[in-house]
Amino acid sequence: DAGITQSPRHKVTETGTPVTLRCHQTENHRYMYWYRQDPGHGLRLIHYSYGVKDTDKGEVSDGYSVSRSKTEDFLLTLESATSSQTSVYFCAISDPLAGGQETQYFGPGTRLLVL
Amino acid sequence: AQSVTQPDIHITVSEGASLELRCNYSYGATPYLFWYVQSPGQGLQLLLKYFSGDTLVQGIKGFEAEFKRSQSSFNLRKPSVHWSDAAEYFCALGIRDDKIIFGKGTRLHILP
Repeated sequence: DAGITQSPRHKVTETGTPVTLRCHQTENHRYMYWYRQDPGHGLRLIHYSYGVKDTDKGEVSDGYSVSRSKTEDFLLTLESATSSQTSVYFCAISDPLAGGQETQYFGPGTRLLVL
Repeated sequence: AQSVTQPDIHITVSEGASLELRCNYSYGATPYLFWYVQSPGQGLQLLLKYFSGDTLVQGIKGFEAEFKRSQSSFNLRKPSVHWSDAAEYFCALGIRDDKIIFGKGTRLHILP
């Protein structure tokens, strides 16, 4: 299994509070991703990073920000959590070959409940 | 526009029976295709992938998938399912910038 951990694994928070989820990898992969998984929607990309301090938006980025100050860590922040952000959040990593596509490996997920 | 469609939300098969999960994609270039499996409360595990070459791809846990360009399909198959195969299965399409688009998943139920 790829060395990916996510913390916390479970979190309950209140509407309007800030929340930060952490993804940590030990594989030295360049690319990291944050997805959310909701019933009937599969996985949707929130943000991704293709290197330290290099990030870009995904399909559902509104209300989320990310930071990557080190290769191994990718943080996802909900500046002011809303109930619509209740979801399961997955981190993924990959190390694409130049000009190619490489496999993404997933962390165990963080279950977030916003009350 | 690129997309992945898994037509079946739920599928139920008896233990020992054969299985085929359908996946269709829409993409204007050569597709990179994946199947992932997710057990309840777990992350996603890669079953197999197709990048190029042989259109019949073998994966872990006895699964295989066949890429058919003419049908824009990448169906997942297993000759005999086990109760432990009950899970949700996701087909995914690799697009530019090393991003992946996922289908909405097919939940597999196994009857004893």
